[in-house]
Amino acid sequence: DAGVIQSPRHEVTEMGQEVTLRCKPISGHNSLFWYRQTMMRGLELLIYFNNNVPIDDSGMPEDRFSAKMPNASFSTLKIQPSEPRDSAVYFCASSLNPFTGGPGYTFGSGTRLTVV
Amino acid sequence: KQEVTQIPAALSVPEGENLVLNCSFTDSAIYNLQWFRQDPGKGLTSLLLIQSSQREQTSGRLNASLDKSSGRSTLYIAASQPGDSATYLCAVSPPGSGNTGKLIFGQGTTLQVKP
Repeated sequence: DAGVIQSPRHEVTEMGQEVTLRCKPISGHNSLFWYRQTMMRGLELLIYFNNNVPIDDSGMPEDRFSAKMPNASFSTLKIQPSEPRDSAVYFCASSLNPFTGGPGYTFGSGTRLTVV
Repeated sequence: KQEVTQIPAALSVPEGENLVLNCSFTDSAIYNLQWFRQDPGKGLTSLLLIQSSQREQTSGRLNASLDKSSGRSTLYIAASQPGDSATYLCAVSPPGSGNTGKLIFGQGTTLQVKP
């Protein structure tokens, strides 16, 4: 398996534009997580899905953020409209539930978003 | 609200030294605790997982301990090498998260091992 695949690796966009981040989890994993990492706040959980269903979106900062998981092999995180303070590295991770940890919890390489 | 704190924020040691990284959490009702490694510009790699019923886990030169009652965990690295240079993050599964894998992270300790 190629691991958790995120695209794009880097995204530079202008304020007000729509941004879509994509994630392909590891095949067989049934939990998917979107995290955001900044210097100031560290790693924060935005939303997670279990069996394609959003379970907890309390970390989504504003209504400008939305996430979908239309099937077990694909998820998107959308920001519309984007703002400079959204600049961060966005990570997707997947795991197997019931969670046994260790190598079962896998992060993607992240998408570095810059909003100018 | 669960909070995770890691001390120190940064650490520089000479090669070969044994070292300890610290992690503390405010709510002892965790499901499990994990240690991750993050290299610059990269994602996170899971190093060790300790279930709430366990006291420690070992992998090679790494040993992680868990004391739930005091809200603390340590990551011990034996005979450090320059390749160990990275940021180490501690994460706990908060109360009520069950076995979903939801994690709350500390800010990390950035380790530099000098040759």
